[in-house]
Amino acid sequence: DADVTQTPRNRITKTGKRIMLECSQTKGHDRMYWYRQDPGLGLRLIYYSFDVKDINKGEISDGYSVSRQAQAKFSLSLESAIPNQTALYFCATSALDRNTGELFFGEGSRLTVL
Amino acid sequence: QQQVKQSPQSLIVQKGGISIINCAYENTAFDYFPWYQQFPGKGPALLIAIRPDVSEKKEGRFTISFNKSAKQFSLHIMDSQPGDSATYFCAASPNQAGTALIFGKGTTLSVSS
Repeated sequence: DADVTQTPRNRITKTGKRIMLECSQTKGHDRMYWYRQDPGLGLRLIYYSFDVKDINKGEISDGYSVSRQAQAKFSLSLESAIPNQTALYFCATSALDRNTGELFFGEGSRLTVL
Repeated sequence: QQQVKQSPQSLIVQKGGISIINCAYENTAFDYFPWYQQFPGKGPALLIAIRPDVSEKKEGRFTISFNKSAKQFSLHIMDSQPGDSATYFCAASPNQAGTALIFGKGTTLSVSS
C-alpha cells in the first residue's frame, strides 16, 4: 500500500459544486501539504500543516480550505469549484525536522471542473 | 514574485548526452536546495539535494552544482538514458521555522534513443 494515499484519483465536477480531496498517510509524519500542479506553472503550495492544531496558507490559498482531522489525515476542500481550479492536486508529507526538506508525495488527484 | 526560476522549460537530449537544468533564486535565506523527479502519472520524488556549504554533490550520474555568490544551482545528468525522461523540479527551502519548500516551474526532459 502507498505511504501517502489520495482519494479520489480522478474527479469531474461542475462549476459551483463543493469538492473534497482527501489525503491519508502511514509514514507517521507530522507535516502535511497540499500542492497544485499546472502545466508550465510547476508545483504551487495551497496549504500546509505542521501538526493537527497548525494550519498555514500557502501561495495560492484563495478558493480553498483545509481540515487536519488527525495526524494522518489532511483534506482539501473547494467550497464552490470554478473551471480555473482544474488541475492536478498533490498531497505530501514530511518529517518534523525542517532541514530535511524531503517531501513524500501521493500519486495525485486530477480534478476537472466543467 | 517567482522565488525560484527554472530553465529551460523543456529539453531534448540524445542518449548518452549530458542534460543540464538551471535554477536561480533571490532569497538569501534559502539554505536547502533539492531536485525532484516526476514520471508521468506519479508524484514527484526526491532525486538529490544540496546545502550551501558545498559547491557540488554527486550521486551516480546526477550532480548538483551550486554557486552561492551567483545564487544559482544546476542539475547535470551524465550519460542521459531514455529512463531519465521525466519532469524535473528544483526547489528551495528558507532557513526559518514554519516555512515550506518552494518549487520552480519544472523542466520536461526527453532523452531520445
